[in-house]
Amino acid sequence: EAQVTQNPRYLITVTGKKLTVTCSQNMNHEYMSWYRQDPGLGLRQIYYSMNVEVTDKGDVPEGYKVSRKEKRNFPLILESPSPNQTSLYFCASSSTSEDTQYFGPGTRLTVL
Amino acid sequence: GENVEQHPSTLSVQEGDSAVIKCTYSDSASNYFPWYKQELGKRPQLIIDIRSNVGEKKDQRIAVTLNKTAKHFSLHITETQPEDSAVYFCAASKGTGGFKTIFGAGTRLFVKA
Repeated sequence: EAQVTQNPRYLITVTGKKLTVTCSQNMNHEYMSWYRQDPGLGLRQIYYSMNVEVTDKGDVPEGYKVSRKEKRNFPLILESPSPNQTSLYFCASSSTSEDTQYFGPGTRLTVL
Repeated sequence: GENVEQHPSTLSVQEGDSAVIKCTYSDSASNYFPWYKQELGKRPQLIIDIRSNVGEKKDQRIAVTLNKTAKHFSLHITETQPEDSAVYFCAASKGTGGFKTIFGAGTRLFVKA
């Protein structure tokens, strides 16, 4: 089954404790992206990747890192999480830049 | 910076009526405009999209129109049904040459039976 998976689905952590949210797709898509969703603000793009080893900043990249060492995986790294990074995070993938983005199930992160 | 404004933020219609959601974008280089539907507790899913070389696109009860000169695009849902109740997001991206995507803040649509 074609899908985008994210882990973990829920995470409660404390300020400053490094964490990684994994994202994997099995559709051989070149394009992948991370978004955060906050009430009243819609989806805001954090980082995106157009291919292996090719990443670029989205609208709200501060406090986040990404890497794309393999085509299928695009992890999101929070080196020192802060409470303002409490949010719902979605990973998405797409075959081209003008095609459907398929979203993962979301990761709800709470930083205390 | 680049942004996408979406209106209204909330829309309530009677079953069978039409619903219209409007978006305005700022980056004239944008050329791909998708619409996503997000049901409560679920992930966004594409319902229709339009590219800059097309002015209108229709898929059954859903249509999207694009006015590149005015930099706005709209979603039209006809014969609304209760299952159309959800949050709808518009987005704009540059497509070719990049993957930066800007979403609108969303419209919560209620369809009353």
